[in-house]
Amino acid sequence: DAKTTQPTSMDCAEGRAANLPCNHSTISGNEYVYWYRQIHSQGPQYIIHGLKNNETNEMASLIITEDRKSSTLILPHATLRDTAVYYCIVRVVGTGGFKTIFGAGTRLFVKA
Amino acid sequence: GAVVSQHPSRVICKSGTSVKIECRSLDFQATTMFWYRQFPKKSLMLMATSNEGSKATYEQGVEKDKFLINHASLTLSTLTVTSAHPEDSSFYICGGTGETNEKLFFGSGTQLSVL
Repeated sequence: DAKTTQPTSMDCAEGRAANLPCNHSTISGNEYVYWYRQIHSQGPQYIIHGLKNNETNEMASLIITEDRKSSTLILPHATLRDTAVYYCIVRVVGTGGFKTIFGAGTRLFVKA
Repeated sequence: GAVVSQHPSRVICKSGTSVKIECRSLDFQATTMFWYRQFPKKSLMLMATSNEGSKATYEQGVEKDKFLINHASLTLSTLTVTSAHPEDSSFYICGGTGETNEKLFFGSGTQLSVL
């Protein structure tokens, strides 16, 4: 079963920051938080991941709470092309073929 | 980022035939490959986890004799849907990860339609 819960859908105005929350209150110490997004009829696209520190890359920022029970993905300046389903996942990093289970995700609508 | 090439992107077949879906990791060695299926407006459902050179581990409810997975090399994994039926129609996606399992990259998906 998925270990994350996310809002079903969110709206965001074009050009504004999109803040997507994720709850992972049962996260284990060796599990990382990953974010992917999926545009209709395509495979998921990797966005960002982190363990406990906040992370930033060219696509987004990831803010993880100190207790690691929740996180927020921030798209700083949302565009219409950011409309997609965003998945927050927790997974173990390392050898062993650990499963990667997807939850329902958040459907983000970016509006002009 | 790393690239996973998945083919075909779309396939239509007759009921009772078999269909093979290929996933190739183009610039990394995919030690582990995950196979998912996805129904319209639903999330990805894990079907099986495959480690190179080993038999795949299937999720509960997924028939291993129907969904044959081969992962004979570090750059190629295949999923064969045997004796396909209309209820097998779905979007199938592979995801590959390397030795450290840190980055997981997905193919573009295969839309299977069984008539």
